[in-house]
Amino acid sequence: EDKVVQSPLSLVVHEGDTVTLNCSYEVTNFRSLLWYKQEKKAPTFLFMLTSSGIEKKSGRLSSILDKKELFSILNITATQTGDSAIYLCAVAGANSKLTFGKGITLSVRP
Amino acid sequence: DADVTQTPRNRITKTGKRIMLECSQTKGHDRMYWYRQDPGLGLRLIYYSFDVKDINKGEISDGYSVSRQAQAKFSLSLESAIPNQTALYFCATSDFSAGTYTGELFFGEGSRLTVL
Repeated sequence: EDKVVQSPLSLVVHEGDTVTLNCSYEVTNFRSLLWYKQEKKAPTFLFMLTSSGIEKKSGRLSSILDKKELFSILNITATQTGDSAIYLCAVAGANSKLTFGKGITLSVRP
Repeated sequence: DADVTQTPRNRITKTGKRIMLECSQTKGHDRMYWYRQDPGLGLRLIYYSFDVKDINKGEISDGYSVSRQAQAKFSLSLESAIPNQTALYFCATSDFSAGTYTGELFFGEGSRLTVL
């Protein structure tokens, strides 16, 4: 059974802090790992990672995958209150369906 | 208009009632999914369909059924709703054309169901 574990499950930081969100996985025939951000409604896509060691970057957010150690991290630098959300990690495996972690609730205080 | 549309967006019902949540998409994707979300539990897969004739159970299918009426339509039914089915339900699609599948899902806005 595919498994995705995210940590920590929640954290509170102040504006300007840097945060690192963790995602480890066990999956049969790994195809990709995806990060989503969820505010009040549907999750929105952030990154898709398929290769180890190649950083994906978008503004203050970046992510990297380690396929040997089976984990990914999502970094957010200079956090803002608008970064407050649930961050979901999901992995696509052999049967082509995504398995999600429980999500990380990030709260950024002014 | 949204590419993935769910109706209703909010519904309150009573225990034992039959409920249908509908999903339609204009993205032309072949794959469609129903997830439910509960606080602290992430997204859990209920059913998924790779085409009109291919429907599969997910990890929490008990108490639910689905119908893929057309490539663009995928409905979720609760035959006899119970309170622990109170949750936020998401429909999603993905593209598997030309072997380019990557796993990215495109979500509807969600349907919040409350069973009293």
